Amino acid sequence: NAGVTQTPKFRILKIGQSMTLQCAQDMNHNYMYWYRQDPGMGLKLIYYSVGAGITDKGEVPNGYNVSRSTTEDFPLRLELAAPSQTSVYFCASSYDAGVRAEAFFGQGTRLTVV
Amino acid sequence: AQSVTQLDSQVPVFEEAPVELRCNYSSSVSVYLFWYVQYPNQGLQLLLKYLSGSTLVKGINGFEAEFNKSQTSFHLRKPSVHISDTAEYFCAVSTKAAGNKLTFGGGTRVLVKP
Repeated sequence: NAGVTQTPKFRILKIGQSMTLQCAQDMNHNYMYWYRQDPGMGLKLIYYSVGAGITDKGEVPNGYNVSRSTTEDFPLRLELAAPSQTSVYFCASSYDAGVRAEAFFGQGTRLTVV
Repeated sequence: AQSVTQLDSQVPVFEEAPVELRCNYSSSVSVYLFWYVQYPNQGLQLLLKYLSGSTLVKGINGFEAEFNKSQTSFHLRKPSVHISDTAEYFCAVSTKAAGNKLTFGGGTRVLVKP
């Protein structure tokens, strides 16, 4: 049972570089999410998707982009990395809303921008 | 808008003692409430959830939580903790009005001492 798989687990970027954080789920979930976790701040929603071809901004979308070309994949793109984007990034998925709203999380990607 | 406040950022507790983690939420509509646990260097895992019905919810690993609508609270309890309960715990809320997106509290770090 793979669940939600994120790659890479760790990455160091220089200021101004770009990268894509990969996320894949094998549970045929419609909903997918990207969160960032900063100490003492909980998780903040960056972007989410309710199905292939549909994405929307969350609470903190600036500096990020997403796409959802398939049900399984939901990559997060960082353009022009900044130190403020140093964080742990979590991808999550859920089947639906309401009573099936349980979100399943990946193991996270720890990103440092120097 | 919905929000979640976890009143304690850290809770030290001795092994076999009880623990209570406090969570208050703010929402003008009906809510779904969740507690997630994050073990070191791991993703988040669902402990329990309240969707409707009985206000006392039992979860995994001996945890339970009580939904109190009048006090807008969803406190998490365990009568006797183990060393393995050392982790960070997140309370989260979602509403249909917010598209069932999860809003997380800042987290409570539980350190169980022998």
